[in-house]
Amino acid sequence: GQNIDQPTEMTATEGAIVQINCTYQTSGFNGLFWYQQHAGEAPTFLSYNVLDGLEEKGRFSSFLSRSKGYSYLLLKELQMKDSASYLCAVTDSNYQLIWGAGTKLIIKP
Amino acid sequence: DVKVTQSSRYLVKRTGEKVFLECVQDMDHENMFWYRQDPGLGLRLIYFSYDVKMKEKGDIPEGYSVSREKKERFSLILESASTNQTSMYLCASSPRGTSGSEYNEQFFGPGTRLTVL
Repeated sequence: GQNIDQPTEMTATEGAIVQINCTYQTSGFNGLFWYQQHAGEAPTFLSYNVLDGLEEKGRFSSFLSRSKGYSYLLLKELQMKDSASYLCAVTDSNYQLIWGAGTKLIIKP
Repeated sequence: DVKVTQSSRYLVKRTGEKVFLECVQDMDHENMFWYRQDPGLGLRLIYFSYDVKMKEKGDIPEGYSVSREKKERFSLILESASTNQTSMYLCASSPRGTSGSEYNEQFFGPGTRLTVL
C-alpha cells in the first residue's frame, strides 16, 4: 500500500527553527509537495521537490532524499503566523497525489 | 490571480437530503478534484476529473457522485446525506502538465464545512 508518515503535532518557540519530517512509501515517485494549512482554511502551496537536495525559499526550505523516501520542511525565524498544519504530499507513478495526515505546528511566544 | 471558489462555506443538511456542492475554477485547468478532510485522517480523495464529462473514482467514492459538464465547474453530489458525511469538503484544480512535465500543483478552494443532522 501507499503510505506517508508525518508527526501529528510539534511545538516550537517564536524565533527558533523547526524541522518537520515526512517519510513515504509509494508506488513510484514523481515529486513531493509541502502545503501549509491554517485552521479553517484551504491548503496553500509552499514547496516542490523532484530532485534530491535542498530547495530554499525565504524562511522555508525543503529537502528531499529519494533513495531514503524522506523529506523535511525547515522553518527558520519562526513567527506566530507560522502556527498551522503542514501537509506532505507525494506524486506517485500514476501522477496521483498521495497526502499525509499533516503535522500541526504550535508556536509559543 | 488563481481562483477556486466553492458555493458555500458552511452548510447544514438533514439525513436523507440530496446535497450539491459546487466548485468553479477560473484558471482553465483540466484536472479537478474533490476531497474530504477529517481530523487525523488528512485529505482523502473522493472523485476527480481529467476532462469535461470524465470522472474517476478516488479512494472513498461510496455515497457520492460527481458531474463535470463544463471545464470550469465540478459538482459533488451526496445522493442521500448521512451523518458520517459530516466533514470539510475541499475542491482543487491543477493543470495537466506541459512539455513532458507532470508538475501537478493543486490549487484549493476555501472549503465547505458540511454538517448532516
